[in-house]
Amino acid sequence: SQQGEEDPQALSIQEGENATMNCSYKTSINNLQWYRQNSGRGLVHLILIRSNEREKHSGRLRVTLDTSKKSSSLLITASRAADTASYFCATEDRSSNTGKLIFGQGTTLQVKP
Amino acid sequence: EAQVTQNPRYLITVTGKKLTVTCSQNMNHEYMSWYRQDPGLGLRQIYYSMNVEVTDKGDVPEGYKVSRKEKRNFPLILESPSPNQTSLYFCASSLSGFGTGVNQPQHFGDGTRLSIL
Repeated sequence: SQQGEEDPQALSIQEGENATMNCSYKTSINNLQWYRQNSGRGLVHLILIRSNEREKHSGRLRVTLDTSKKSSSLLITASRAADTASYFCATEDRSSNTGKLIFGQGTTLQVKP
Repeated sequence: EAQVTQNPRYLITVTGKKLTVTCSQNMNHEYMSWYRQDPGLGLRQIYYSMNVEVTDKGDVPEGYKVSRKEKRNFPLILESPSPNQTSLYFCASSLSGFGTGVNQPQHFGDGTRLSIL
């Protein structure tokens, strides 16, 4: 079964609004990462949060991690049309030590101008 | 510019005709990996390599081979492609740090869309 699962599957907002995406996972993790994928392109790393961190910021991005609930959220503030993309959370299983990332199904975000 | 380069970007071929997808990174990364992305199944790891001459199976290795003779290159080989290998393939690399608790984010190529008829 999927390790990371995003919610919602799709999100449509107006430019300037905030977008929140959630991710749940099943096992103990070393870290959780968020990636963005524009249509037809590769994944771009956005932010990494370690298991001992609770919150992290990068520009307009804010990520939280709750290891007790095995969940994370990605907040994009003041969204822009260029933020339109699919967003994936990815976890690295603490027990695997292989570097393998387990991806969720992703949230498709549409930001309307 | 730091990047992961995959070739070809698109390929349509026929069942049984051997093909190789190349992957090269210019960041001196130790770790490299191949994923496939399919609708409804997300991204799944095919093979990975911790360093030169060290490769191992991921979740869906059947029908694929890899090699890591040089640090920068990690080709994916389909010896006898079949239609169920039609997919979008991504190569990724990272500085590693696995096992030390200082894991690094992975850098992805732009993908190779394979169609096997």
